[in-house]
Amino acid sequence: AQSVTQLGSHVSVSEGALVLLRCNYSSSVPPYLFWYVQYPNQGLQLLLKYTSAATLVKGINGFEAEFKKSETSFHLTKPSAHMSDAAEYFCAVSDRGSSNTGKLIFGQGTTLQVKP
Amino acid sequence: GAGVSQSPSNKVTEKGKDVELRCDPISGHTALYWYRQSLGQGLEFLIYFQGNSAPDKSGLPSDRFSAERTGGSVSTLTIQRTQQEDSAVYLCASSPILAGGSRETQYFGPGTRLLVL
Repeated sequence: AQSVTQLGSHVSVSEGALVLLRCNYSSSVPPYLFWYVQYPNQGLQLLLKYTSAATLVKGINGFEAEFKKSETSFHLTKPSAHMSDAAEYFCAVSDRGSSNTGKLIFGQGTTLQVKP
Repeated sequence: GAGVSQSPSNKVTEKGKDVELRCDPISGHTALYWYRQSLGQGLEFLIYFQGNSAPDKSGLPSDRFSAERTGGSVSTLTIQRTQQEDSAVYLCASSPILAGGSRETQYFGPGTRLLVL
């Protein structure tokens, strides 16, 4: 079975500061990993994904994440926070086998607050 | 091109009534998913459709929930005899099937906010 744990339901940073959102996963098979962002009253937007190519993945809006198999982690970072980054962030895992559904298993989400 | 669309965007209903939620996936995407987002349970998988294959209904919480996908495109999620605990945002996502049969990115619609009074 697969699972995702996001450490910290709420993270607050100052504008211009480093953003670090933590995600650890559990999977018995090589996973696909995703970060999605959700702005208020909107659906989920893909930030970036890991699908077994480079372990350091760059996404939209200056975000990146590094897949670390030894630590079963996929933490999301951004060097300098912007006010517009305030949103809820979800880490998700899915199986990569063609015989499986590819359904996403989500973490509980982390709300990012950016202070001026 | 157009993204995933869902309707209605908001639905208020009385306990015991049936509701239908609609999802129109991205053209050409053969995989379609329904998820539920609620305060208590977070984001949960409900059901998966892929082409003409039997759907994976393993995430449906009760037999009051059902879904169909007609013509391999539009999908409808039906909740019968709604209960207050069904109040949530229902999200639909679609995904292309890549060479080799794998699925990668799911593209989400804006969701339907359901409130059961």
